[in-house]
Amino acid sequence: ETGVTQSPTHLIKTRGQQVTLRCSSQSGHNTVSWYQQALGQGPQFIFQYYREEENGRGNFPPRFSGLQFPNYSSELNVNALELDDSALYLCASPAGTGTGELFFGEGSRLTVL
Amino acid sequence: QKEVEQDPGPLSVPEGAIVSLNCTYSNSAFQYFMWYRQYSRKGPELLMYTYSSGNKEDGRFTAQVDKSSKYISLFIRDSQPSDSATYLCASHTGGFKTIFGAGTRLFVKA
Repeated sequence: ETGVTQSPTHLIKTRGQQVTLRCSSQSGHNTVSWYQQALGQGPQFIFQYYREEENGRGNFPPRFSGLQFPNYSSELNVNALELDDSALYLCASPAGTGTGELFFGEGSRLTVL
Repeated sequence: QKEVEQDPGPLSVPEGAIVSLNCTYSNSAFQYFMWYRQYSRKGPELLMYTYSSGNKEDGRFTAQVDKSSKYISLFIRDSQPSDSATYLCASHTGGFKTIFGAGTRLFVKA
C-alpha cells in the first residue's frame, strides 16, 4: 500500500473535451507529482505541487493544469483533449528524502476518441 | 537523445534463470538511481534505490550503478513467474523530477 489513491480508474472522452483526474494521499504528504505514461513508454513528469503551489513543470502545454488542496488531495485537469492525451495518468507522492523515490497510485487510464 | 535509455524487450527466460536488465543515461548530474516494477494495469512500485556508484542487494535483487560508463543494471536471481512485469529504470538529480526509461518487459516461464 502506497497510501496514494486515484480516481477514476478508467474513463473515455472525446477529442476537445475536458477531464479532471483526482488523487488523494496520506496526511502529511505535502508534495504531489503527476506523470503521464503512454502505452509502451515510461512515465513522463507533468508537474509537481508543494503546499498548494506548482513548483516544477515538465514539457507539457498549459492545457495541463493542476490543483492541490489543504487536505493533501489534488487534481489534474486537461483541457481541449487530443488523441495523443490517451495514456495512464499517475499521481505520486515523493518519499520525502530528496532522492526521487516515488510512491505511485494505481493510475487513471484515459482514452480519447 | 533520451536522458535514460532502456531496451524495451520483451525478455523471456525460464524459471530459475538469472535476469540482467540494463539502462544507460546521459546526464552526469544524476545522483540517484531507482528500479521500479510495474505489473499490467497497475502503477509502478519502487523496487530498489541506489545513490551514486556501487551495488545494493535486497534478497534476490541486486542493483548496480557504474557512473564512469553511465550504466545502470538490475540482476534478478532465481527468477520466478511472479517476477513477470515491466521493469523501469529511473534517475534523479535531487531536483523535482524523476526521469524514467521506457521499461523492459520481462516474462519468466514456468
